[in-house]
Amino acid sequence: SQTIHQWPATLVQPVGSPLSLECTVEGTSNPNLYWYRQAAGRGLQLLFYSVGIGQISSEVPQNLSASRPQDRQFILSSKKLLLSDSGFYLCAWSPGLAGINEQFFGPGTRLTVL
Amino acid sequence: AQSVTQLGSHVSVSEGALVLLRCNYSSSVPPYLFWYVQYPNQGLQLLLKYTSAATLVKGINGFEAEFKKSETSFHLTKPSAHMSDAAEYFCAVSDYGGSQGNLIFGKGTKLSVKP
Repeated sequence: SQTIHQWPATLVQPVGSPLSLECTVEGTSNPNLYWYRQAAGRGLQLLFYSVGIGQISSEVPQNLSASRPQDRQFILSSKKLLLSDSGFYLCAWSPGLAGINEQFFGPGTRLTVL
Repeated sequence: AQSVTQLGSHVSVSEGALVLLRCNYSSSVPPYLFWYVQYPNQGLQLLLKYTSAATLVKGINGFEAEFKKSETSFHLTKPSAHMSDAAEYFCAVSDYGGSQGNLIFGKGTKLSVKP
């Protein structure tokens, strides 16, 4: 069966510090991968998605970036965090097949920028 | 372009009462529709999905949803609420057939269950 991992689970970082959040998927190949952010009362915001290694699409301009160095690894990064980057970050995957679109979510990372 | 509207950001019911969470969608093609549940500080869990088969879809934890094309709705119901149903619920529509598998989520409805 497939599982998705995210770490760390919680993170407190000062403004201006770098960020690296990691997501890995097990038990599947060639998944589509996604990064979402949940800010209080604002629902889910799609940040990035990837359909393959090295292929990243950005949905919202911001000071965050994403990379996919391996088939089942997805990394969210920032060089300098802003207060507005605080939130709950969710990674998700879906089968990379047309017509099968349900997404499966990881446990999330709670980021607080002070 | 697809979109989803969830009516009511907060819904409160008594334990044992009917749960009804509303979702309306907009789509130019037959949609795939989903309901997810999120418990505090956890990821989203798929409750059920509609993929153009039966219009009444049964999911986990006693939830079900009915696809009504004429009303462009996909409301989530449960006959009898339990305290453990307290969570946030998200409706989502898919970009049908797109290889990216992108979902468009509603803003969520927080369900409270009173004893």
